Amino acid sequence: DARVTQTPRHKVTEMGQEVTMRCQPILGHNTVFWYRQTMMQGLELLAYFRNRAPLDDSGMPKDRFSAEMPDATLATLKIQPSEPRDSAVYFCASGLGGNEQFFGPGTRLTVL
Amino acid sequence: KQEVTQIPAALSVPEGENLVLNCSFTDSAIYNLQWFRQDPGKGLTSLLLIQSSQREQTSGRLNASLDKSSGRSTLYIAASQPGDSATYLCAAAPVNTGNQFYFGTGTSLTVIP
Repeated sequence: DARVTQTPRHKVTEMGQEVTMRCQPILGHNTVFWYRQTMMQGLELLAYFRNRAPLDDSGMPKDRFSAEMPDATLATLKIQPSEPRDSAVYFCASGLGGNEQFFGPGTRLTVL
Repeated sequence: KQEVTQIPAALSVPEGENLVLNCSFTDSAIYNLQWFRQDPGKGLTSLLLIQSSQREQTSGRLNASLDKSSGRSTLYIAASQPGDSATYLCAAAPVNTGNQFYFGTGTSLTVIP
């Protein structure tokens, strides 16, 4: 059945290292979202794309985070350099227009 | 900016009880509202989506209602079961942002056998 996939599922890295998270949206969906979830802040929207074009990345620290969609089947979220405060679960979600969003299983990031 | 609030933050009920989870939002001009379930350590599972032109949606034992004028949505769970234990989140998408959802902090539900 169609679902959003994310890799890796878990990532442990040291401060200062580059981290790349990948997402494969559901085939045919034209919107992709990146969220971050922490106990303190809950779910925060980092960036989203429609038809591969970035529509809003205001929730993302621009100096270290970047989000791209090289093609319709792949979205990436990069952190460089990573910091301990980036430790969180990062979710990707996809949807069609303004309708229902479907979430991936998340990438649990730990920055030591 | 749309603000979404869910009260209570946690709820415990005995098995078999009917219950209502509440969600309120500040901007009544919403495009749609979606309810999710999240199990510990897992992603979010979509439960119900209510379009702005609708007043309610039903799926099995779940019924979600939407009252835009009062800025409220409720999720009704009938005959609760221990397997319903999870965190329930609502998310509202304002009209002016289309598909950008704003999430509440969730209600953690425990159904006691």
